[in-house]
Amino acid sequence: DIQMTQSPSSLSASVGDRVTITCRASQNIDIYLNWYQQKPGKAPKFLIYAASSLQSGVPSRFSGTGSGTDFTLTISSLQPEDLATYYCQQSHSTPLTFGGGTKVEIK
Amino acid sequence: QVQLVESGGGVVQPGRSLRLSCTASGFSFSTYGMHWVRQAPGKGLEWVALIWYDGSNKNYADSVKGRFTVSRDNSKNTVYLQMNSLRVEDTAVYYCAGDYGTNSLVYWGQGTLLTVSS
Repeated sequence: DIQMTQSPSSLSASVGDRVTITCRASQNIDIYLNWYQQKPGKAPKFLIYAASSLQSGVPSRFSGTGSGTDFTLTISSLQPEDLATYYCQQSHSTPLTFGGGTKVEIK
Repeated sequence: QVQLVESGGGVVQPGRSLRLSCTASGFSFSTYGMHWVRQAPGKGLEWVALIWYDGSNKNYADSVKGRFTVSRDNSKNTVYLQMNSLRVEDTAVYYCAGDYGTNSLVYWGQGTLLTVSS
């Protein structure tokens, strides 16, 4: 199974800050990497697919980069509504696996 | 608009069985793979199972293989998760999610809570 490791597990940042979350795969997954946002008490929401493609309707302040084993999710200017936990997920092969999550808090 | 509505959760004793349902609307259900993903209280997301758009292929996490069975009825726009020999560690919110064939979970339901406890 492909292991996904996210860091940090949590972070606190101010409105307007640039926030970066990293995700590492235990083996080469090319660009088969998705990102999800889960707000408190809600279901996850699909944000980014194929490492860097923004899902329709997702604000442009979100972006993704990477290939192979190392990936990043960046929020260019943090907004209050971005309070959430963010998960990466490899779509390379089953069993699908998620990172442990990064909880983003607003200072 | 797209909707996925899970049902069937509740409180069950260890060793018992339960079936979850997920009914879809607002998209072409019969062309989408469907997944079950669970989230234990206060924990992260764990993928559980996948069924292809036509039901021809199914995959399971090792943690549920042999105990859980995923199925679908495209005439009813519904996917099911039959859960047998339930364990305390199966306690979680169970989400169904739609995938247009790329193992990307595009659409999500609101989740249904399963509690396994004596």
